[in-house]
Amino acid sequence: RKEVEQDPGPFNVPEGATVAFNCTYSNSASQSFFWYRQDCRKEPKLLMSVYSSGNEDGRFTAQLNRASQYISLLIRDSKLSDSATYLCVVNQAGTALIFGKGTTLSVSS
Amino acid sequence: GAVVSQHPSWVICKSGTSVKIECRSLDFQATTMFWYRQFPKQSLMLMATSNEGSKATYEQGVEKDKFLINHASLTLSTLTVTSAHPEDSSFYICSTGQAYNSPLHFGNGTRLTVT
Repeated sequence: RKEVEQDPGPFNVPEGATVAFNCTYSNSASQSFFWYRQDCRKEPKLLMSVYSSGNEDGRFTAQLNRASQYISLLIRDSKLSDSATYLCVVNQAGTALIFGKGTTLSVSS
Repeated sequence: GAVVSQHPSWVICKSGTSVKIECRSLDFQATTMFWYRQFPKQSLMLMATSNEGSKATYEQGVEKDKFLINHASLTLSTLTVTSAHPEDSSFYICSTGQAYNSPLHFGNGTRLTVT
């Protein structure tokens, strides 16, 4: 079983749609969780950290379910500029971050 | 602005040559830097952890004699791909963070093509 699993997609949605991505992780000792965004042929950039209580940043909402070991990202009112690959990232104490393969989102007009 | 500078962004080389990639932290001293590799449509895979003043720690399956890492100062780590082959063609990217569990700052990556 892979350490971090994501549905690769692609998710093709129209502008204004709401879309949700899920991610599961295998190591229950994981402590930190993040969503990164990666545009084609570019470096990943931090989108948001994921906190146990859930957190929101504008149109983006992240949630963590430790019992089920999954993380979600909800994007409301999708924009064309949201088209990218979204990487789920987890971390255990003292180790480097572990990346999922990413979920590709394509928003069309 | 960028906190990690990586150079070069793009390189094409012939099979058998060596390529050096530099990664600099600009705004803080980085005792640890991470080197990742990403093949098309794959996730970032950690190759090695570079520690200032000591030997790098390589992940399983990564040849330390082929991917030479040097972290001689708190702001500079280098990755040298020695005797590059076409299968080494990939996107190499460095990163660093201020704590082990903090978000990483990435360099802009180096796209290596070996012909």
